Amino acid sequence: QKEVEQDPGPLSVPEGAIVSLNCTYSNSAFQYFMWYRQYSRKGPELLMYTYSSGNKEDGRFTAQVDKSSKYISLFIRDSQPSDSATYLCAMSAAGTASKLTFGTGTRLQVTL
Amino acid sequence: DVKVTQSSRYLVKRTGEKVFLECVQDMDHENMFWYRQDPGLGLRLIYFSYDVKMKEKGDIPEGYSVSREKKERFSLILESASTNQTSMYLCASTRDTDQPQHFGDGTRLSIL
Repeated sequence: QKEVEQDPGPLSVPEGAIVSLNCTYSNSAFQYFMWYRQYSRKGPELLMYTYSSGNKEDGRFTAQVDKSSKYISLFIRDSQPSDSATYLCAMSAAGTASKLTFGTGTRLQVTL
Repeated sequence: DVKVTQSSRYLVKRTGEKVFLECVQDMDHENMFWYRQDPGLGLRLIYFSYDVKMKEKGDIPEGYSVSREKKERFSLILESASTNQTSMYLCASTRDTDQPQHFGDGTRLSIL
């Protein structure tokens, strides 16, 4: 079983929809949680970064961490075609200067 | 903004060749990383470095080596390329243990 599980999708939603992306994990030592967006043929771009539990909001994006359930989420409000990409969750126990463990990514398609 | 630059976007090499992938960051980051990304497997850590001339093995170091002679530059070396090393290679860097990793745009390497 993988340490981090992420549904690969693809997930297809209409423009303007609220999108929910999720990861589950098994290592209770994880404390640092990140979401990256990756467009085709590009490197991952950091979207959200949280430490420990709780919510964090940045514009149309909200990240949630529930350590008791070992579950993290990324919500995208008012989704746009430009949000079409692969979304990767990543996490670490010992901080971001050491190993990150990644999910395999969820491919999102926002249609007009 | 952090800039992580990988010298080649696409590279085609033959089996048995020695291959060098170069990565440069312009933000004086101490920590640098090499990952490979494969469909269904996500990003896997090959090697990382926390200081000049220092290196640590990641999850899949076999068949690879690294060099860090200057703080801004981290090189990945495939000693004798094999077809199973065909992949997308991503370089990342971070300053501190509580700052997220920033990625380059990757090198898509094909070994024929």
